Amino acid sequence: GAGVSQSPSNKVTEKGKDVELRCDPISGHTALYWYRQSLGQGLEFLIYFQGNSAPDKSGLPSDRFSAERTGGSVSTLTIQRTQQEDSAVYLCASTQDRVLQYFGPGTRLTVT
Amino acid sequence: SQQGEEDPQALSIQEGENATMNCSYKTSINNLQWYRQNSGRGLVHLILIRSNEREKHSGRLRVTLDTSKKSSSLLITASRAADTASYFCATDGEETSGSRLTFGEGTQLTVNP
Repeated sequence: GAGVSQSPSNKVTEKGKDVELRCDPISGHTALYWYRQSLGQGLEFLIYFQGNSAPDKSGLPSDRFSAERTGGSVSTLTIQRTQQEDSAVYLCASTQDRVLQYFGPGTRLTVT
Repeated sequence: SQQGEEDPQALSIQEGENATMNCSYKTSINNLQWYRQNSGRGLVHLILIRSNEREKHSGRLRVTLDTSKKSSSLLITASRAADTASYFCATDGEETSGSRLTFGEGTQLTVNP
């Protein structure tokens, strides 16, 4: 079946603009995660959704970052008033069993 | 604090040789996983080892886990040029919620043909 998809694959934006990144998880996966990866670094946890429970937002770096998951499926990560330090690859993952996470190809965000 | 730390940061070998990468972590874990990443994009799950396991094999991959030393190693035998990628360990800590993974900074492996 289809894997996790993310869009856009690349996004270039000017400092101060808002951006929306989209994640389509694997159908039926109840948990969804967002991670951020800066150049040459490991992945940094951002936010976690599990079913209808309140999301774990403990990894969001500032109040400019927010995310939602509609209907328990598609998720959108929004970054308001982007800064140059927001430039990174944003990765989404979904899982059925909360153990094995399946990752999307990521969105490379460049803030100029 | 950084949970997982891999070493070496970069490894360059010839095709056919074995590659060993190490990972250390700080807190108690439920399991440890190894992922592979090509060209800075999506990660592919390679292997998972649970905290009560000491060794696991999958094809040319062998993973060991020493919970007393809080360390793991990934061995790729008979390497191929196509194994060139970044390899990350990720831990699922007992204290973290929702099984979120904590990643190390990765080892960049280059296999020269």
